Amino acid sequence: DGGITQSPKYLFRKEGQNVTLSCEQNLNHDAMYWYRQDPGQGLRLIYYSQIVNDFQKGDIAEGYSVSREKKESFPLTVTSAQKNPTAFYLCASIDRGFGNTIYFGEGSWLTVV
Amino acid sequence: AQSVTQPDIHITVSEGASLELRCNYSYGATPYLFWYVQSPGQGLQLLLKYFSGDTLVQGIKGFEAEFKRSQSSFNLRKPSVHWSDAAEYFCAVGAVGSGTYKYIFGTGTRLKVLA
Repeated sequence: DGGITQSPKYLFRKEGQNVTLSCEQNLNHDAMYWYRQDPGQGLRLIYYSQIVNDFQKGDIAEGYSVSREKKESFPLTVTSAQKNPTAFYLCASIDRGFGNTIYFGEGSWLTVV
Repeated sequence: AQSVTQPDIHITVSEGASLELRCNYSYGATPYLFWYVQSPGQGLQLLLKYFSGDTLVQGIKGFEAEFKRSQSSFNLRKPSVHWSDAAEYFCAVGAVGSGTYKYIFGTGTRLKVLA
């Protein structure tokens, strides 16, 4: 089955540590996105990538970094510079051949302890 | 600026009752419009979408939505709600700017279903 796989589902991090969230898709989509979701605030765009080896900052990129070395993979690193990293993180990819429909993974919960 | 407004943060309906979730958008042209559903702790699942053509679109799980250009609205409806429909619903606009596809999400409407 095609889809977007995020891992881990739950992650605990100590303050001062970097952590990387994995996102893999086998849908052959070029564009991939990372969103952060906090209660009552909807989804906020962190980074996006339209093509391999290229990515752009979204609305809340500070304290985050990404890479796009392969079409299938778009990992997100939450660095120690992110002041309030506890949140639900959603990875998505875009089907440009289907009206630019955005599809989401199941999400990853990050908790700073 | 582009924006999406879901005016109802919470809605409670009885099982079997009809449902309408409101969505208003601000965009200079005809946007791509989407509705997603999210169960607790899960990702967003696409319910339906509108690109062009017939303004009444059918989706999964018995949902439909109607695009009204004059009102800049894309309200989601279901004639008879089931307990399993309890979830959070997000309206989204897809728009092109500077060659980039950008998606703007509303803040969501949480649906509670009474037995």
